[in-house]
Amino acid sequence: DAKTTQPPSMDCAEGRAANLPCNHSTISGNEYVYWYRQIHSQGPQYIIHGLKNNETNEMASLIITEDRKSSTLILPHATLRDTAVYYCIVRGYGGATNKLIFGTGTLLAVQP
Amino acid sequence: NAGVTQTPKFQVLKTGQSMTLQCAQDMNHEYMSWYRQDPGMGLRLIHYSVGAGITDQGEVPNGYNVSRSTTEDFPLRLLSAAPSQTSVYFCASSRQGYNSPLHFGNGTRLTVT
Repeated sequence: DAKTTQPPSMDCAEGRAANLPCNHSTISGNEYVYWYRQIHSQGPQYIIHGLKNNETNEMASLIITEDRKSSTLILPHATLRDTAVYYCIVRGYGGATNKLIFGTGTLLAVQP
Repeated sequence: NAGVTQTPKFQVLKTGQSMTLQCAQDMNHEYMSWYRQDPGMGLRLIHYSVGAGITDQGEVPNGYNVSRSTTEDFPLRLLSAAPSQTSVYFCASSRQGYNSPLHFGNGTRLTVT
């Protein structure tokens, strides 16, 4: 059922940019791309979302390809506290798009 | 700012017992959902609701019941607990619509012996 695919794990050096990819090749026109992260066993935390334009907030940047079939979450200066599981999901409006499937995400390990 | 509140935080049950995991939100969100997370695994959707009186099944609904009598509350019921239901349960809510982030509770850690 998952509409997104992500690599199971990635490493990043502290202070460097972390680029986390997500494939959503079956995304439809009115579906947004969302990113969340989960630190240890806490509740997942919202990071950013977008439709087709690149987005930036205080936490991260989101780059969505022109065909919208993939996206990249960028943490510009990763710290040890960014070590977490990162989830990419898509969300539309109504019907089956309310069934929000998270998948297994990407475990980002930030190394000192 | 309460947000999404889950109770209890921890619970131990014996096989066959029943219990209700509570979830309440104070943001007037139409959409609410329940996930379970097993060790080393991602979040799996159990049930969700798009408003009072409306619920639907997720990926792993068997063994769980839900109802939505008010906008604020979305309880998850285990009628006869099994060891396979040992997990961490997360409740989430949002406004209905595609431009609305989910807000998660802090989880309920359930052990069934």
